[in-house]
Amino acid sequence: KNEVEQSPQNLTAQEGEFITINCSYSVGISALHWLQQHPGGGIVSLFMLSSGKKKHGRLIATINIQEKHSSLHITASHPRDSAVYICAVGRYGGSQGNLIFGKGTKLSVKP
Amino acid sequence: EPEVTQTPSHQVTQMGQEVILRCVPISNHLYFYWYRQILGQKVEFLVSFYNNEISEKSEIFDDQFSVERPDGSNFTLKIRSTKLEDSAMYFCASSGRWSGANTEAFFGQGTRLTVV
Repeated sequence: KNEVEQSPQNLTAQEGEFITINCSYSVGISALHWLQQHPGGGIVSLFMLSSGKKKHGRLIATINIQEKHSSLHITASHPRDSAVYICAVGRYGGSQGNLIFGKGTKLSVKP
Repeated sequence: EPEVTQTPSHQVTQMGQEVILRCVPISNHLYFYWYRQILGQKVEFLVSFYNNEISEKSEIFDDQFSVERPDGSNFTLKIRSTKLEDSAMYFCASSGRWSGANTEAFFGQGTRLTVV
């Protein structure tokens, strides 16, 4: 069983729609990361969180430590949001950067 | 905005050859990492590096792999004798402007390694 599970695997949305990507994990964590991988392969860090909620522009990330679950929301989606969104967790007690990655959610936003 | 720089962007090498992948982390960061992503698969942790030594390494990071910070700015990943299965995208990342800081990592654009 994967220690980090994301859903859905693929997501197609119309421009302007509200999008939610989910991440569940089965290990104790020190932090959870949301990453964006562009079609060319480059990775950008969106959020790192260990509790509560963070917001950056149209992106919102939440985490529920008790339920071992996090969500990434995109409001007013735009075609430029099309990318693979990856959830990754830092295992509690592990070194920084020792992340367990999910398989990613491929988002396609149509105009 | 400061960024992590990786060179080359694409490297093709023959099986059995040594390759060195280069990274310039963000200048005031203290923690450095390498990851790999085999085509179509998820990203995997290889190694973390702090204070001029390896903090942690994964099972993937066997004796064929080594890392070095030779001059205070570059951070390199060496694969001594490449195998076909080493073909992947390799990402460098850095984080932490002060010791003990657990902050988000900044990733480079990756080096696509193709072993033929």
